[in-house]
Amino acid sequence: NAGVTQTPKFQVLKTGQSMTLQCAQDMNHEYMSWYRQDPGMGLRLIHYSVGAGITDQGEVPNGYNVSRSTTEDFPLRLLSAAPSQTSVYFCASSYSGTERTQYFGPGTRLLVL
Amino acid sequence: GNSVTQMEGPVTLSEEAFLTINCTYTATGYPSLFWYVQYPGEGLQLLLKATKADDKGSNKGFEATYRKETTSFHLEKGSVQVSDSAVYFCALSEGYGGSQGNLIFGKGTKLSVKP
Repeated sequence: NAGVTQTPKFQVLKTGQSMTLQCAQDMNHEYMSWYRQDPGMGLRLIHYSVGAGITDQGEVPNGYNVSRSTTEDFPLRLLSAAPSQTSVYFCASSYSGTERTQYFGPGTRLLVL
Repeated sequence: GNSVTQMEGPVTLSEEAFLTINCTYTATGYPSLFWYVQYPGEGLQLLLKATKADDKGSNKGFEATYRKETTSFHLEKGSVQVSDSAVYFCALSEGYGGSQGNLIFGKGTKLSVKP
């Protein structure tokens, strides 16, 4: 199993550009989520999904869109990047039962100029 | 709302020293509690967890006990190694049903262990 994979590892954007951060898992997990990590802030939840076709907002959803068309993939879209979105983004997945161990991807480092 | 507070870092210790990283939480209901570790340049890995009061999670020599009376989940290790240098995050799971997977994290504590 590859676990949770994320692409790209690093990206530089200009203000106003759009991009999609990719996340995929091969563990057949129902639950997937996106977090952003900022210095001194820990990780904060952006969006999450409990299954294909179902998504919901987390703590900091503004400026981000998600969709979940398959169990395996959960892309995060930035429609118009802003410098405040400079961060490290982590995708995570887990089963939806009582076992809630989250498996994290290696992260995408995003710099918005 | 739910929140996690953990001790500020960085923490610098000598090899074989005793480690404690304090973590307290505020939550309604009965959350599960976690410690995650992030090694340099990597994603987060689950270190240990506890799902109910008085449970003790343990892994790789680290331990933490879920104390409901003090709303705490302090991380301890009796003898740290250089390889334990990392950032440690305390977290709780919130909500019910589908949102049970959502984690609320503390700000993280950076640990550096010197030989």
